[in-house]
Amino acid sequence: GAGVSQSPSNKVTEKGKDVELRCDPISGHTALYWYRQSLGQGLEFLIYFQGNSAPDKSGLPSDRFSAERTGGSVSTLTIQRTQQEDSAVYLCASSLGGGSLGETQYFGPGTRLLVL
Amino acid sequence: AQSVTQLDSQVPVFEEAPVELRCNYSSSVSVYLFWYVQYPNQGLQLLLKYLSGSTLVKGINGFEAEFNKSQTSFHLRKPSVHISDTAEYFCAVTLNSGGYQKVTFGIGTKLQVIP
Repeated sequence: GAGVSQSPSNKVTEKGKDVELRCDPISGHTALYWYRQSLGQGLEFLIYFQGNSAPDKSGLPSDRFSAERTGGSVSTLTIQRTQQEDSAVYLCASSLGGGSLGETQYFGPGTRLLVL
Repeated sequence: AQSVTQLDSQVPVFEEAPVELRCNYSSSVSVYLFWYVQYPNQGLQLLLKYLSGSTLVKGINGFEAEFNKSQTSFHLRKPSVHISDTAEYFCAVTLNSGGYQKVTFGIGTKLQVIP
């Protein structure tokens, strides 16, 4: 079956512009996660969705970052007024959800964002 | 709070040699442990995971890991590496937090297999 997909795969933008990153999870997966992968920083948790609600937004680095999920499926991560330090690979993952322990997360290929 | 330490940022190893990638964790509660692999320009994929039971866990591509509770470690091993194993490897711990799994990843270890 289809895996997690993300678009665009690469995005180059100018400082100060807004960007939208899209994630299509695996069909039927109710849990969705966004991570940021910066050079030498590992994976940084940004936000978690269960269905359309986001019980944990603790990882969003500033109020310039927001995310939404509609129809329990597609999610969009928006970065407003981008800064050069926002340059990173943004990864989306989904899992079955339901709170079962030890669930595997399935990752998309990521969106590589470069802010000039 | 939980944390994961991957002591080696890069590990070069010759083809067909054994390799061990180290992972230590800290947590005040029981955790579940994972290793993910990221091949160049791809997303992460699960290599293996420990939930309970036997402390020796076997994963894909001939990798295995051993959970050692007393040493709070979950080191990844392979007896003979192949060129195709060149990738970045992430150790992760997860615990149940407010009804969902909060996952903490290590910073990753880049395995470079030398022909």
